[in-house]
Amino acid sequence: GAVVSQHPSWVICKSGTSVKIECRSLDFQATTMFWYRQFPKQSLMLMATSNEGSKATYEQGVEKDKFLINHASLTLSTLTVTSAHPEDSSFYICSARVSWASGRADTDTQYFGPGTRLTVL
Amino acid sequence: GENVEQHPSTLSVQEGDSAVIKCTYSDSASNYFPWYKQELGKRPQLIIDIRSNVGEKKDQRIAVTLNKTAKHFSLHITETQPEDSAVYFCAASRGYSSASKIIFGSGTRLSIRP
Repeated sequence: GAVVSQHPSWVICKSGTSVKIECRSLDFQATTMFWYRQFPKQSLMLMATSNEGSKATYEQGVEKDKFLINHASLTLSTLTVTSAHPEDSSFYICSARVSWASGRADTDTQYFGPGTRLTVL
Repeated sequence: GENVEQHPSTLSVQEGDSAVIKCTYSDSASNYFPWYKQELGKRPQLIIDIRSNVGEKKDQRIAVTLNKTAKHFSLHITETQPEDSAVYFCAASRGYSSASKIIFGSGTRLSIRP
């Protein structure tokens, strides 16, 4: 397997503030990471694909200026929720895909982080 | 765009019985189909996956079947146990291609009755 961590695990913030969430692949390199949000009792909705060293690809309907993604290294991607509002409250989960260069057999597999529960007051 | 439909949304089975969850996908270029199990408040965990070059894969009590022609794939859990209670998501992906994002189904909440 492979381990993906997320920080923080939960955060409460005031409306209008920005929140940064980190996603790290701990024991493998990840050229590609993905960010999802999940509302209670619903499925995972892909927000964006984060590629190391290049701009993220956002899904339709996701505001790129609202959800800033940076993938500066092969083990770290960050999601910043800017000017957060109560409707942004959700469970944000990242996943990381094993890099092709690793030579591993599981390069198709996405390993998920534990998630970050964001509550905006 | 790509779409994955999953049925049923909820499923309750007696402990020891089998559970079957079915999915269909729309993107004919999909070639990788993982299944994830998610317990409340936790991350999705990969439980089994199948690639388009095989029709069936089994791992102990869990099996997955794939019908590429019909674009259907299914998860079968036999001899269900209380710890199988969770939400299960099917997913489809183009795998090795650059557009390798995973599209998830809507999920099935499985409850095992003692």
